Amino acid sequence: GAVVSQHPSRVICKSGTSVKIECRSLDFQATTMFWYRQFPKQSLMLMATSNEGSKATYEQGVEKDKFLINHASLTLSTLTVTSAHPEDSSFYICSARVIGLAGGYSYNEQFFGPGTRLTVL
Amino acid sequence: QQQVKQSPQSLIVQKGGISIINCAYENTAFDYFPWYQQFPGKGPALLIAIRPDVSEKKEGRFTISFNKSAKQFSLHIMDSQPGDSATYFCAARNAGGTSYGKLTFGQGTILTVHP
Repeated sequence: GAVVSQHPSRVICKSGTSVKIECRSLDFQATTMFWYRQFPKQSLMLMATSNEGSKATYEQGVEKDKFLINHASLTLSTLTVTSAHPEDSSFYICSARVIGLAGGYSYNEQFFGPGTRLTVL
Repeated sequence: QQQVKQSPQSLIVQKGGISIINCAYENTAFDYFPWYQQFPGKGPALLIAIRPDVSEKKEGRFTISFNKSAKQFSLHIMDSQPGDSATYFCAARNAGGTSYGKLTFGQGTILTVHP
């Protein structure tokens, strides 16, 4: 099956520092990856869509200068939280989209990574 | 903003019972309705999904019922097991335009299955 990994799985940093989170598709190529944020006991909120070779598109209310996204290859997207503050502490989850044809049907599926727990002190 | 409303927030079921989670959506711009299962500290995993031209889909103990006219869909877990205890999210995928392929998630349901 399609496997997506994230690194690191958890990170603790001091306020004001920057943190980079990697999202990799391990056994397939993904031209599109998505980044989500999930606060405790809440749902997943889409932050941005990462497209290989082009700029990411951000959802309304998400600061693009604070959450830098780079999708430099078909298997890797990175999210950098710049000048992190305690309110940025959250569970960050990426997904990679697979589009194709099988058995006469088209499919368009997102496979999710295991998430990265960010704690900003 | 497109929304998907999910209920109940939490659900407690005895082992062997049926768990039912409901979702409703507000517009017709969605073309695919997946359900995800999430364990604490983990990413969501696809459980089962349905397209709007189908009224029901069953995979093992999991069944989705879809009512297009009412804009509602539900997940039924038959013979619920303690291992099913997790948070369940319904979602709806945008069919086109600038939001093509994006998922909108419901609020989540915390399911607890007692042995």
